[in-house]
Amino acid sequence: QQQVKQSPQSLIVQKGGISIINCAYENTAFDYFPWYQQFPGKGPALLIAIRPDVSEKKEGRFTISFNKSAKQFSLHIMDSQPGDSATYFCAASSGAGSYQLTFGKGTKLSVIP
Amino acid sequence: DVKVTQSSRYLVKRTGEKVFLECVQDMDHENMFWYRQDPGLGLRLIYFSYDVKMKEKGDIPEGYSVSREKKERFSLILESASTNQTSMYLCARRWTGANTGELFFGEGSRLTVL
Repeated sequence: QQQVKQSPQSLIVQKGGISIINCAYENTAFDYFPWYQQFPGKGPALLIAIRPDVSEKKEGRFTISFNKSAKQFSLHIMDSQPGDSATYFCAASSGAGSYQLTFGKGTKLSVIP
Repeated sequence: DVKVTQSSRYLVKRTGEKVFLECVQDMDHENMFWYRQDPGLGLRLIYFSYDVKMKEKGDIPEGYSVSREKKERFSLILESASTNQTSMYLCARRWTGANTGELFFGEGSRLTVL
């Protein structure tokens, strides 16, 4: 079964620190790797995504690092803020037009003042 | 703004009851999905549909069925609710023409089965 393994399950970071969440996958056919952010009481929303033709993508304080040979990708949140406190899910899918995303189990991030 | 509307945010049902969870999207998108979210288990795909009257099983379809009579509406049905179906249910849609897997989610329906 296709899997995406996400760690850690929970993370506490001080305001201004760097939050790092890691994901690993097995299926080499995966070619789209998004991260979703979910606040309490809301559905997940796309935060940032990467394709394997680049090793890094940055949007503001959020960066995805991608290591194709290791089959790993990670989310870095620089200068973490209390407003970043949420649950983060990594995911992967294969093929243009693929209907299915395989999600990691999620990381609950708490940023404390 | 993109809207995926789940009509019931909170439901409490009894074991054995038939449960309908409704989802409506405001775009003419073909692909719609039902996920189940449980702590520590992430999001698991129950069923998806890529067009009217079309449906495909996801990873955990047992105990569920779906209905898609109109493009904008995708319903999840629990024929006989059980306590292990107590969960958060998330509906999502995706534009078929997109070259990404981006999903737009509703706010979820939290179901408690007593």
